[in-house]
Amino acid sequence: EAQVTQNPRYLITVTGKKLTVTCSQNMNHEYMSWYRQDPGLGLRQIYYSMNVEVTDKGDVPEGYKVSRKEKRNFPLILESPSPNQTSLYFCASALGLAGGNEQFFGPGTRLTVL
Amino acid sequence: GENVEQHPSTLSVQEGDSAVIKCTYSDSASNYFPWYKQELGKRPQLIIDIRSNVGEKKDQRIAVTLNKTAKHFSLHITETQPEDSAVYFCAASTPWSNFNKFYFGSGTKLNVKP
Repeated sequence: EAQVTQNPRYLITVTGKKLTVTCSQNMNHEYMSWYRQDPGLGLRQIYYSMNVEVTDKGDVPEGYKVSRKEKRNFPLILESPSPNQTSLYFCASALGLAGGNEQFFGPGTRLTVL
Repeated sequence: GENVEQHPSTLSVQEGDSAVIKCTYSDSASNYFPWYKQELGKRPQLIIDIRSNVGEKKDQRIAVTLNKTAKHFSLHITETQPEDSAVYFCAASTPWSNFNKFYFGSGTKLNVKP
C-alpha cells in the first residue's frame, strides 16, 4: 500500500532533550516536506527536500534540522526542543520536481514539550 | 514570502446548500493552488487543485475558481452533505529556485447541518 508513515505518533518530552521524528514513504517520491499545524495558523512549512542530499528551509525552520540521506526517508530533528515547538507535525511527499503535484500526508505526530 | 489569507474561519450551512470558501494570495509568481480537507483527527487530503494557467476546475460537487489578476481563488461545494463537515485549507505554491514552497491558509471549519 502506497503510504507515508511517521513515528512516533505521540511524544511527550522535556525541554532540551534531543528528539527525532521519522518519516518514510514507499512511493519513490522526490519531494518531501515537514509541516507543523497550530490552531488558527493552518499548516506552516518547516523544511522540504527535492531529492537526496537536497534540502531547503520553509517558512518556519528555526529550531529544526532535517536530513535526506535516502530517497524514502526524511527525519525531522529537534536538537534542543522548547515548549513553543509543541505542535502537530505532518510529513508529506509528492512525486514531482517543480510542484504542481499532489502532496500525500503522513498520519501526524503530536509533540508536547514540557 | 507568500501570504495566503482564507475566509471565513467558520462556515455553517444547511444540508443541500452551497458553501464557498475564499482565499487570497500575495505573490504573483504562485502557480499551483491545492485545496485540502482535514477531518477531525485525520491527515489533510487533497480534494481539488488548480494551476495558474486554468481559470476553473470542477470535480462532481466541488469546483475551484482562480482569478490571477485579483490574486484570489475560491472553493465551491454544491449540494453539501453532512460528510462534507471538516476543516478545509487552501494553499499556494510558489517556485523558489528549482523548488516549490507551499503556503497554507489558516483553515475554514465547515459544519453541514442535517
